[in-house]
Amino acid sequence: EVQLVESGGGLVKPGGSLRLSCAASGFTFNSYTMSWVRQAPGKGLEWVSSISSNSYYIYYADSVKGRFTISRDNAKNSLYLQLNSLRAEDTAVYYCARDVLAKIEFDYWGQGTLVTVSS
Amino acid sequence: QSVLTQPPSASGTPGQRVTISCSGSSSNIGGNYVYWYQQLPRTAPKLLIFRNNQRPSGVPDRFSGSKSGTSASLAISGLRSEDEGDYYCASWDDSLGGRGVFGRGTKLTVL
Repeated sequence: EVQLVESGGGLVKPGGSLRLSCAASGFTFNSYTMSWVRQAPGKGLEWVSSISSNSYYIYYADSVKGRFTISRDNAKNSLYLQLNSLRAEDTAVYYCARDVLAKIEFDYWGQGTLVTVSS
Repeated sequence: QSVLTQPPSASGTPGQRVTISCSGSSSNIGGNYVYWYQQLPRTAPKLLIFRNNQRPSGVPDRFSGSKSGTSASLAISGLRSEDEGDYYCASWDDSLGGRGVFGRGTKLTVL
């Protein structure tokens, strides 16, 4: 059974940093592109970043470029998102998702981890 | 302003057929697959339609997708109360080096 479990969310002050993790199991992790998608409270889905299976291709939304860094450790079946220079508008539930076709085809999603940026 | 345009709301009575539209451009829908995600209240999103018109196993055939040019639509027939939730279209956009794009979502209400 495919499982994606996010962790690392919490309350952080503006300008602060946080590292999100996504532990994957039940599939061959190193064969898939992985992505982060976020959802601000009461708002819609926003694609954040994607990383190819071998980390060669990495993409970011303009809203996070230069502040967030996606990475993965295939030996640990884990995906990460380093969030720096956080702003109030980064407050959201962050979902980890498996991408079948490396172009936003998310067939499995985690349950999400909440990041709250507030002073 | 979202790259993909969806109506903010849609509604229907049980048993009815409803459609939700999604409009984009040549850099996204026009040149890439369209996906539809369903998000029921207080749950994570779920893949509903992939590659324009394909249903994952377990998704009822009441749900169907189509694409024409730079637009797409999701149709739900035989509407049921448990279909109430938010529906998002999504596609890859080849501009700006490549990025994923979602519509703002359509809230479906079953009256």
